Amino acid sequence: NAGVTQTPKFQVLKTGQSMTLQCAQDMNHNSMYWYRQDPGMGLRLIYYSASEGTTDKGEVPNGYNVSRLNKREFSLRLESAAPSQTSVYFCASSFYEGGEGSPLHFGNGTRLTVT
Amino acid sequence: LAKTTQPISMDSYEGQEVNITCSHNNIATNDYITWYQQFPSQGPRFIIQGYKTKVTNEVASLFIPADRKSSTLSLPRVSLSDTAVYYCLVGYSSASKIIFGSGTRLSIRP
Repeated sequence: NAGVTQTPKFQVLKTGQSMTLQCAQDMNHNSMYWYRQDPGMGLRLIYYSASEGTTDKGEVPNGYNVSRLNKREFSLRLESAAPSQTSVYFCASSFYEGGEGSPLHFGNGTRLTVT
Repeated sequence: LAKTTQPISMDSYEGQEVNITCSHNNIATNDYITWYQQFPSQGPRFIIQGYKTKVTNEVASLFIPADRKSSTLSLPRVSLSDTAVYYCLVGYSSASKIIFGSGTRLSIRP
């Protein structure tokens, strides 16, 4: 049981390049999320998918797009990377969007540097 | 959105009990209180969740007073491996309301 798997673990991009961060969960969770964490800061929600087929913006969606490919997979795309997007990106999942007994399960992150 | 306030950092020693308090004055009736632990280079890990009074699991206890305007995470007999950042979250009615603050950086010394 792998939980939440993120690929790649590390990535270096030049300004203007694009890339897609992949996330997959094997816990049959309905909801999935993308967060970013800047040094010494808490996590900020970029986008989330409450259920398969739906996506919604979080706190900091600008410069990102997402795709809920199926129930297991939720990808995050940077169309034109900027240095301000240098951060650690975490994918998470939960059984429901919220409520008792539905905590978030996180992957181990993708460390992205944009030069 | 329910905003939380918790100490930026705390220090303690191995074998001690550590209590981290979180203030959440505008908690809503339906909100739950959830704590996560984060080690360097890892994603946060769920520790405990509660609504009122006291909740205990194999890792920690969560104390919530009747007015629910604060909560205290209690870690019994900490070890060096408990050195981490601890986040208090309030809410859970929808993903957009899950707000991570800066957390409490707990350092345990031998």
